[in-house]
Amino acid sequence: AQSVTQLGSHVSVSEGALVLLRCNYSSSVPPYLFWYVQYPNQGLQLLLKYTSAATLVKGINGFEAEFKKSETSFHLTKPSAHMSDAAEYFCAVTVTGTASKLTFGTGTRLQVTL
Amino acid sequence: EADIYQTPRYLVIGTGKKITLECSQTMGHDKMYWYQQDPGMELHLIHYSYGVNSTEKGDLSSESTVSRIRTEHFPLTLESARPSHTSQYLCASRPNGWGADTQYFGPGTRLTVL
Repeated sequence: AQSVTQLGSHVSVSEGALVLLRCNYSSSVPPYLFWYVQYPNQGLQLLLKYTSAATLVKGINGFEAEFKKSETSFHLTKPSAHMSDAAEYFCAVTVTGTASKLTFGTGTRLQVTL
Repeated sequence: EADIYQTPRYLVIGTGKKITLECSQTMGHDKMYWYQQDPGMELHLIHYSYGVNSTEKGDLSSESTVSRIRTEHFPLTLESARPSHTSQYLCASRPNGWGADTQYFGPGTRLTVL
């Protein structure tokens, strides 16, 4: 079975600083990896996804993530944080043949301070 | 932009009541999912469907039931609500394609059982 681990349940950065949210995965077969964002009282919105086409994936709102097989990681980054980035971020994994069920990490709450 | 709707958005109800949470999508997606999300915690899959007349239990055991009579509609029912059912319920759908296709989420229903 596949799984993801998100290191750090809370991350706080200053506005304009680098955002780095960590995600490590475990899978015995090639995974598909996703980052979702959840704003208060809303559903999840896809930020970006890795589909094996390219290891560096660019998403919406200036976010990007790099798939590193050797490190089993898929960390999410943004060069300069904005107040509007404050939200809950979830990493998720799926593999072929599992009814496309997503397995989510426990989430990381990003706080952006002035 | 995905078109997936959930009603009600918020529901406060007494113990023992029967409730149905509605989920509809207008994208013609075959696969649909229900997740349960407790505050500050990861999402757990409780039900999913491959298409009409198909329902499967997810990874987290749930006392709720689902039905899939129409492609666009995937309601979740609790026959007798209890305080332990208090949670946020998120519905999602995706195309019947390959594993990396995106799951689109509705806004969620926040259920409180008194």
